[in-house]
Amino acid sequence: AQSVTQLGSHVSVSEGALVLLRCNYSSSVPPYLFWYVQYPNQGLQLLLKYTSAATLVKGINGFEAEFKKSETSFHLTKPSAHMSDAAEYFCAVSRNAGGTSYGKLTFGQGTILTVHP
Amino acid sequence: NAGVTQTPKFQVLKTGQSMTLQCAQDMNHNSMYWYRQDPGMGLRLIYYSASEGTTDKGEVPNGYNVSRLNKREFSLRLESAAPSQTSVYFCASSQHNEQFFGPGTRLTVL
Repeated sequence: AQSVTQLGSHVSVSEGALVLLRCNYSSSVPPYLFWYVQYPNQGLQLLLKYTSAATLVKGINGFEAEFKKSETSFHLTKPSAHMSDAAEYFCAVSRNAGGTSYGKLTFGQGTILTVHP
Repeated sequence: NAGVTQTPKFQVLKTGQSMTLQCAQDMNHNSMYWYRQDPGMGLRLIYYSASEGTTDKGEVPNGYNVSRLNKREFSLRLESAAPSQTSVYFCASSQHNEQFFGPGTRLTVL
């Protein structure tokens, strides 16, 4: 069984400040981990993914995340927040299916990021 | 490429009515999924189809049925809508463990 916990349903930062969104996972097998972003009234867009290669993963829009197996964490960071980063962010886990083309995703509850000028 | 498309974008139903949500993808992906999104609960998997001709239940399948019409299309049917099915529904398709999402259907059941 897999599960994801996102700590903090709402995070508020000032423009230019560090963004840190927390995600902890539980998985009985090596996981694949993902961060998705959802802008208002839109679908989900992939920010970045960890698939057992490098533990520090760089994504779009300046975001990155580090896979820490010992802490079962995959926190999302961005050094300097921009107003356009305001959105809802979802962490998700799927089973490392050894290269098969599908894997069911289990999502966290989501974190709404607000960026103040 | 249009990616993943969903119709309709919005729908209002009365309790007991039925409807089908349509989803199509043009990326030649084998796997397709239906999720519902409710505030504070993230996305929950309703049904998925690992490949053409197969469908399986996800986390919250009760009250729904699906059809994988062909490789491109995966529809979700509500036979007798209930207010608890008021939600935003997302279809997705996947390749190599990356899922691509449609824009969603916002459904209200009165």
